[in-house]
Amino acid sequence: DVKVTQSSRYLVKRTGEKVFLECVQDMDHENMFWYRQDPGLGLRLIYFSYDVKMKEKGDIPEGYSVSREKKERFSLILESASTNQTSMYLCASRSTTGLLGSPLHFGNGTRLTVT
Amino acid sequence: AQTVTQSQPEMSVQEAETVTLSCTYDTSESNYYLFWYKQPPSRQMILVIRQEAYKQQNATENRFSVNFQKAAKSFSLKISDSQLGDTAMYFCASNDYKLSFGAGTTVTVRA
Repeated sequence: DVKVTQSSRYLVKRTGEKVFLECVQDMDHENMFWYRQDPGLGLRLIYFSYDVKMKEKGDIPEGYSVSREKKERFSLILESASTNQTSMYLCASRSTTGLLGSPLHFGNGTRLTVT
Repeated sequence: AQTVTQSQPEMSVQEAETVTLSCTYDTSESNYYLFWYKQPPSRQMILVIRQEAYKQQNATENRFSVNFQKAAKSFSLKISDSQLGDTAMYFCASNDYKLSFGAGTTVTVRA
């Protein structure tokens, strides 16, 4: 089974801190994604990466950046955390085989609270 | 922009009964896939079922089945013989080169 591991399940950070959320997948998937999940809004795409060192903005990239130096690891960076970034963050990966029908494999999520 | 709409924020069902979750989507593409994902209280999202738009036959996975109405752009999920372990949030998603998710429906199965 594909395993997508997010480094932290819960994080509490202060406003203005730089925050790193790490995600590692073990199935050699080309595509990786970062979503945030908020009640009533579903999943909103922050950034995605087609492959190593490639990244594309999603629907809500403001205040975030990403890094993908190795194929298995995709990091989400909050340059200066703000209270409106308090949310659940989900990482996912996907094979490009049968692209449209290829399902996402998700991590357990990181609940980030910014105070 | 592509949109996926789940009009039922919450649903409750008695154990062993059937519940149907609705989903509508909007796309101008002829080829796309539709998905239902389940997120139990433990939080890891998993795939429940998927449907290719070109296939007329509705997908089925054990107790989970879909009613895919392409002209109406409707993709509902039926959970038969509901079990306590089905309690979760369910997300509808579409992929026509851009993945979009609905807002989710929380399903509670009562003993």
